[in-house]
Amino acid sequence: SAVISQKPSRDICQRGTSLTIQCQVDSQVTMMFWYRQQPGQSLTLIATANQGSEATYESGFVIDKFPISRPNLTFSTLTVSNMSPEDSSIYLCSVTLGVSYEQYFGPGTRLTVT
Amino acid sequence: LAKTTQPISMDSYEGQEVNITCSHNNIATNDYITWYQQFPSQGPRFIIQGYKTKVTNEVASLFIPADRKSSTLSLPRVSLSDTAVYYCLVGVSGGSYIPTFGRGTSLIVHP
Repeated sequence: SAVISQKPSRDICQRGTSLTIQCQVDSQVTMMFWYRQQPGQSLTLIATANQGSEATYESGFVIDKFPISRPNLTFSTLTVSNMSPEDSSIYLCSVTLGVSYEQYFGPGTRLTVT
Repeated sequence: LAKTTQPISMDSYEGQEVNITCSHNNIATNDYITWYQQFPSQGPRFIIQGYKTKVTNEVASLFIPADRKSSTLSLPRVSLSDTAVYYCLVGVSGGSYIPTFGRGTSLIVHP
């Protein structure tokens, strides 16, 4: 298994500002993902964080709005840029280990944009 | 990508067996089927994963018919603490793993 921590756990931000969310894993992982989850809704995949290269974004998400870094096998950041109230959500980091497709999730970052 | 369809909600009572079925008609040859459980204010938690036939672990069983177009998560003797949202996930498509969650099934266990 993997232990995943996210920082911050929650934040309240003003529109137009940016927030960077950190995801730290206690072991080397193969894949890292970023999700968004609105209250009462399912998880929406934002992107796959690729080590040492640009992230792979899903439809509807772009690098200018959600820049992602993954400098090594245990750490990634997601930035929510130029925030608006519609960006208010829970952001979750997820990883897989080895060759398994079993995913482990972080506790999430609850973002509120005012 | 294989799209999944699950019932939006289910109700059960303590001690009963609960079966949640997920439909994935477009599942590809390389796709695995994975189920997750999510409690409020927490990230999803892995329950079970399978490719075909039956898989059992300490918390659940997963039944997959030969055509693999559906799967059933079986929770034996549920308790109140099993009240959660359950997601069926079908991954690996075209060589890339793109873990896309469906809408999930909200299970409520009553006393």
